[in-house]
Amino acid sequence: DVKVTQSSRYLVKRTGEKVFLECVQDMDHENMFWYRQDPGLGLRLIYFSYDVKMKEKGDIPEGYSVSREKKERFSLILESASTNQTSMYLCASRGPDLGENIQYFGAGTRLSVL
Amino acid sequence: GQQLNQSPQSMFIQEGEDVSMNCTSSSIFNTWLWYKQDPGEGPVLLIALYKAGELTSNGRLTAQFGITRKDSFLNISASIPSDVGIYFCAGRSDQFYFGTGTSLTVIP
Repeated sequence: DVKVTQSSRYLVKRTGEKVFLECVQDMDHENMFWYRQDPGLGLRLIYFSYDVKMKEKGDIPEGYSVSREKKERFSLILESASTNQTSMYLCASRGPDLGENIQYFGAGTRLSVL
Repeated sequence: GQQLNQSPQSMFIQEGEDVSMNCTSSSIFNTWLWYKQDPGEGPVLLIALYKAGELTSNGRLTAQFGITRKDSFLNISASIPSDVGIYFCAGRSDQFYFGTGTSLTVIP
């Protein structure tokens, strides 16, 4: 079974803090994704990565950055947290294009910015 | 990015009833996925569909890949209280697109 692990289930941070959300997958997947999920808006793609040190902006990258130093780990960084970044953050990974066409999700990190 | 049209947005049903929901898109997809998300948890994959017309079951759940490749359907038979949650679809063409979810409440 694919396992996608997000390091924190709940986080409470203050406005202006730098926040790191960590995600690790154990299936040697090339592709990893960060989404935020808000009521009525569904899943929105923040950033994705298709290889180590490679990253691409998604639909809403503003205010975020990412890091992919190792294949199994994809980090989402909020450089200066703001209250409008309060949300549920979901990490996902996907196998090679010739294989699985499925995204597997972590359990999510619910972030509150005060 | 594109959002898929998923309906209904919410459903309140009696235990034992069958449930149907669907997703439609303006684009053709080569993959349709159905997930369930429990409150405070991440989405869990229920069914994956890869071919137009494909009908796949997972226990009481059955999903179909529409023949136009622009829609998909999920049915749950004989609902039980633990079916409660949010179900959402995802489709893949050049990238993944997600529906906004169907919230299911099962009344015992």
